[in-house]
Amino acid sequence: GENVEQHPSTLSVQEGDSAVIKCTYSDSASNYFPWYKQELGKRPQLIIDIRSNVGEKKDQRIAVTLNKTAKHFSLHITETQPEDSAVYFCAASKAQGAQKLVFGQGTRLTINP
Amino acid sequence: NAGVMQNPRHLVRRRGQEARLRCSPMKGHSHVYWYRQLPEEGLKFMVYLQKENIIDESGMPKERFSAEFPKEGPSILRIQQVVRGDSAAYFCASSPAGSIRNTIYFGEGSWLTVV
Repeated sequence: GENVEQHPSTLSVQEGDSAVIKCTYSDSASNYFPWYKQELGKRPQLIIDIRSNVGEKKDQRIAVTLNKTAKHFSLHITETQPEDSAVYFCAASKAQGAQKLVFGQGTRLTINP
Repeated sequence: NAGVMQNPRHLVRRRGQEARLRCSPMKGHSHVYWYRQLPEEGLKFMVYLQKENIIDESGMPKERFSAEFPKEGPSILRIQQVVRGDSAAYFCASSPAGSIRNTIYFGEGSWLTVV
């Protein structure tokens, strides 16, 4: 079955700097890759997603890149702000059938003022 | 348009008791998914249901756990004879019927504590 590895497990950056979180997946049939942000005690919230027919997607300060050949995808946050502090999860799934997301282990991002 | 509604938000059970977690999908959604999140870990898929039908239960523990989504009413995740290891956040998500876009929307979660 699918396996998703996420790195780093913790990341601390200065406010205004960029943060990058990386994930690799094992199942070449996976073709949907969402990223979720989770604050303490809250639900995961979808912040951006990418499908395997594109290599990059951007939404304001957030961007995701996908390399299907290498089977890895990354989240990029630019001009970080204190409110970006949270745990971020990547996930992967196949388009057909059940929306069965396989999640990475999470990255705890801390933005230092 | 209300989101995915889960209740209770917090539940405390003694070892050996039963826990029932309820999930009402978003309006117009007929597919429900349950995920479990152990402390300091990512979410793990448990089960995928449509009305009156279990589609995929490959992530459900073989014993003590069951799920249903009746024709009327919310989806229910039932845990019998709870143990300390069942303490976790249980998230429900929903999507429209026939969706090919994969986007699912999580509820606020139910935090189960077994004492």
